[in-house]
Amino acid sequence: DAGVTQSPTHLIKTRGQQVTLRCSPKSGHDTVSWYQQALGQGPQFIFQYYEEEERQRGNFPDRFSGHQFPNYSSELNVNALLLGDSALYLCASSSQGAWNEQFFGPGTRLTVL
Amino acid sequence: KQEVTQIPAALSVPEGENLVLNCSFTDSAIYNLQWFRQDPGKGLTSLLLIQSSQREQTSGRLNASLDKSSGRSTLYIAASQPGDSATYLCAVWDSNSGYALNFGKGTSLLVTP
Repeated sequence: DAGVTQSPTHLIKTRGQQVTLRCSPKSGHDTVSWYQQALGQGPQFIFQYYEEEERQRGNFPDRFSGHQFPNYSSELNVNALLLGDSALYLCASSSQGAWNEQFFGPGTRLTVL
Repeated sequence: KQEVTQIPAALSVPEGENLVLNCSFTDSAIYNLQWFRQDPGKGLTSLLLIQSSQREQTSGRLNASLDKSSGRSTLYIAASQPGDSATYLCAVWDSNSGYALNFGKGTSLLVTP
């Protein structure tokens, strides 16, 4: 079992650029959530996808958008990057929703210069 | 709004000691609570999930308890080892957060040989 995988591992962008992060859920899981973790902080919820729909969104601007594909993998897109978007982006998967055990991937470290 | 607090923020113990990490939450109407481990710069590893109807869960040297009425959970680590050094995070789901995990900032644990 490969577990949750994310790509790329690291990414460096400049302000104003756009970025796409990718996540493949654990085998058998159909729900994907994205979190942003700033240094020294706990992860903050961005949004969750289930059945290819955004089911819930956290307190993040519209510059953050996502997608879930029929194979349950997911993308996180961030437009018009700001310095403050520099963080570790974590993807979590679970089976059939709401409050089942969440399994996290290794994360993508995004640095905005 | 749910506030999750973890005390202490950092802890250093000699190898072999038993230790307790604390997690408190302000809204006792939680669904489930999950404990995670995070190594520096890495993703989160799920340790234990406690459902709202449960009082405790055990896995190897780890034991997590939940007291909803007092808004507290503890993670007990028996016979600590240097490999246990990491940041430990607790997170809850509640009626306000819906599908989003609400995290504390974590306790950074160092176990010295």
